[in-house]
Amino acid sequence: QSALTQPPSASGSPGQSVTISCTGTSSDVGGYNYVSWYQQHPGKAPKLMIYEVSKRPSGVPDRFSGSKSGNTASLTVSGLQAEDEADYYCISYAGSIYVFGTGTKVTVL
Amino acid sequence: EVQLVESGGGLVQPGGSLRLSCAASGFTFSSIWMTWVRQTPGKGLEWVANIKQDGSRKYYVDSVKGRFTISRDNANNSLYLQMNSLRVDDTAVYYCARESWGPRFDPWGQGTLVTVSS
Repeated sequence: QSALTQPPSASGSPGQSVTISCTGTSSDVGGYNYVSWYQQHPGKAPKLMIYEVSKRPSGVPDRFSGSKSGNTASLTVSGLQAEDEADYYCISYAGSIYVFGTGTKVTVL
Repeated sequence: EVQLVESGGGLVQPGGSLRLSCAASGFTFSSIWMTWVRQTPGKGLEWVANIKQDGSRKYYVDSVKGRFTISRDNANNSLYLQMNSLRVDDTAVYYCARESWGPRFDPWGQGTLVTVSS
């Protein structure tokens, strides 16, 4: 039950794109199409941004997209905006349990 | 409005116990899985446990197995987390969340802080 690996930080200028990786194993990310992504602003509860690898809940801008290849899932934020500055966490189903990623702080320069 | 409100957090000594509650409203509580997630101060998220609609299935992260028990009261739209044999590294903000496949944890409560310290 090791945490999924995410880069500690990522950054981009307004309007640019940033991609965050989430690397696991064949027992979690690689084994199921059940990866989701959460955004968390300081002092706030996490917010669902992507589920089932690439689906967006209603209300989430289409600037947010998800994908997966093998044991690595990715979240891409296109057209960065100031309000996208936050921590982002992936999570994967791992066969009756869930495993979160280590988290990535996205900075908008 | 779908809402989750946690309560029961506080300061407890190592080896002590605490019971967290999560009051749900705005949705059919009895028809949905529920989950607990915790976040250590300044650090990341950790999934803790979840429970099926009727309470017949429960799953836990290894680090809390045998110490924590998740339960629910569908008649009162409430979720619980009984925490025994608490350790310093259980110190965290504990969130409850509605769960569906995805995994979709949505929404989350505001969290309740548990501090384990002597």
